Amino acid sequence: GQQLNQSPQSMFIQEGEDVSMNCTSSSIFNTWLWYKQDPGEGPVLLIALYKAGELTSNGRLTAQFGITRKDSFLNISASIPSDVGIYFCAGPLSGGYQKVTFGIGTKLQVIP
Amino acid sequence: KAGVTQTPRYLIKTRGQQVTLSCSPISGHRSVSWYQQTPGQGLQFLFEYFSETQRNKGNFPGRFSGRQFSNSRSEMNVSTLELGDSALYLCASSLASPSGNTIYFGEGSWLTVV
Repeated sequence: GQQLNQSPQSMFIQEGEDVSMNCTSSSIFNTWLWYKQDPGEGPVLLIALYKAGELTSNGRLTAQFGITRKDSFLNISASIPSDVGIYFCAGPLSGGYQKVTFGIGTKLQVIP
Repeated sequence: KAGVTQTPRYLIKTRGQQVTLSCSPISGHRSVSWYQQTPGQGLQFLFEYFSETQRNKGNFPGRFSGRQFSNSRSEMNVSTLELGDSALYLCASSLASPSGNTIYFGEGSWLTVV
């Protein structure tokens, strides 16, 4: 079945550093979604990408939909302590509007 | 407007019991999906409903079921609970527009089976 490979699975960074994480798949996706989840809470949508090559920003976050439609990356610039959490990439499986598959997540820890 | 609302937030059940979780989607959203999240398996798709009809189903046993009401609110039920059913159950809603698949999550229901 379709799978999303997300890396890295965890990272420790110093406050102020930039962060990059990515997702790849063996299948083509028509949509890429990036979420952040805080402990004990549901995932919160950060950025949604709908077109190959699309580059979208949301404050200090930037995400791109790969040209091959099989990958996407998320960058966080000038990290701050509240960026701590788990970041998930996600994309819809074929056959339904909401049958979305998720990457394993990138656990980000920011050292003040 | 209000986000996706899930109840209860926390519950503890014993093996063999059954549980019902409730989800109210964002106003105007007609599609509701459910996910199970565990540390080892990540986010796993359970099922998705649109206009009271189940459109998609994940690879879970028949003990997991759901339904959607005419007001788009949804419930999921797990019967004959097992220890491995302990997880965060997340509900998500969407407009179900064909232009995209953006979904918004609730805060989840923490289920502990003892």
